[in-house]
Amino acid sequence: DIQMIQSPSTLSASVGDRITITCRASQSINVWLAWYQQKPGKAPKLLIYKASSLESDVPSRFSGSGSGTEFTLTISSLQPDDIATYYCRQYKKDFPFIFGQGTRVEIK
Amino acid sequence: QVQLVQSGAEVKKPGASVKVSCKASGYTFTSYYMHWVRQAPGQGLEWMGMINPSGGNSNYAQKFQHRITMTSDTSTRTVSVELSSLRSEDTAVYYCARDHGGNWNYEGYWGQGTLVTVSS
Repeated sequence: DIQMIQSPSTLSASVGDRITITCRASQSINVWLAWYQQKPGKAPKLLIYKASSLESDVPSRFSGSGSGTEFTLTISSLQPDDIATYYCRQYKKDFPFIFGQGTRVEIK
Repeated sequence: QVQLVQSGAEVKKPGASVKVSCKASGYTFTSYYMHWVRQAPGQGLEWMGMINPSGGNSNYAQKFQHRITMTSDTSTRTVSVELSSLRSEDTAVYYCARDHGGNWNYEGYWGQGTLVTVSS
């Protein structure tokens, strides 16, 4: 199975800060990676697909990059509405599909 | 617009089975795979498997291989997941989620979730 390791597990930052979450795959997944945002009590929401493509209606302060085994999700200016847990998810055609363990983002 | 409406919360005893359904609307039902993802209380997301509503072929995570069944009914535009031999560790919110689109399988649209509680 392809394993996905996210870091950090928790991130505390101030409004307006630039933050970065990292996701590492145990083998190359090319660019077949998605990022999700999940707020408490809600279903996840797709933010980024194909490593760097922004889903429609997602604010442009969110961006993704990377390929192969290392990927990042960046929020250029953290907003209060961004408080959530973020998950990466690989979708290389190699079952099972695996989510990262999640990164909880808090406001300092 | 894509809508996925799931069935209501369930409480089951250990050893029992549960079936959660997901009714789709707003798109061509047979054109997109449907995934099932679960989330135990305070834990992360766990992919359980996916089904092609056109034909019904499915892929399951090995972990669930012997006790999971996914089905689809094109007449009612509904997909379902049944999990048997329930144990307390199966207590979780279960989500259906439709493929985003294209030839790659990842979740683009999510149902509201169904809480399944396994307790004696």
